[in-house]
Amino acid sequence: RKEVEQDPGPFNVPEGATVAFNCTYSNSASQSFFWYRQDCRKEPKLLMSVYSSGNEDGRFTAQLNRASQYISLLIRDSKLSDSATYLCVVNGPGTYKYIFGTGTRLKVLA
Amino acid sequence: GAGVSQTPSNKVTEKGKYVELRCDPISGHTALYWYRQSLGQGPEFLIYFQGTGAADDSGLPNDRFFAVRPEGSVSTLKIQRTERGDSAVYLCASSPTVNTGELFFGEGSRLTVL
Repeated sequence: RKEVEQDPGPFNVPEGATVAFNCTYSNSASQSFFWYRQDCRKEPKLLMSVYSSGNEDGRFTAQLNRASQYISLLIRDSKLSDSATYLCVVNGPGTYKYIFGTGTRLKVLA
Repeated sequence: GAGVSQTPSNKVTEKGKYVELRCDPISGHTALYWYRQSLGQGPEFLIYFQGTGAADDSGLPNDRFFAVRPEGSVSTLKIQRTERGDSAVYLCASSPTVNTGELFFGEGSRLTVL
């Protein structure tokens, strides 16, 4: 089983839609969780950290479910500019190596 | 600019050759990471440094790969006897400390092994 798993998509959604991605991780001892965004042929950039209590940043909401070992990202009112690949990141337990998932591609359609 | 700088941006080499990829992190960042990314995949962890020492090199695929950061700033990823399977974008990232999880990536070095 991969350490971090994501549905690669693509998810094609109309503008204004709400879309959600999940990511599962294999090691229950992982403590740090993040979502990164990567535009085509660009470098990844931090979108948001994921806290145990869940957190929101504008149209973006991230949640952590430790019991089921998954994190989620919800995007409300999708914009064309949200089209990108969303990468789930988890730390390797006992280390600060950050493990990336394969990414989920989102395309927001006009 | 003040971001992470990687050179060369593109490198084409022949199978069996030696390659060095350089990363100049953001000034003052103590943590430095190397990843490689193939098309359609997420970044694959290779190694990270905290200061001058390699804190975790568990992602280096084999002993042809080696990385150094002698003065705790610039890092070099060295690949010996390159193989076609080494072709990828090699990404470097730096972070103020290791525990923030906020990695600032460079634009990458695209390596093509013919």
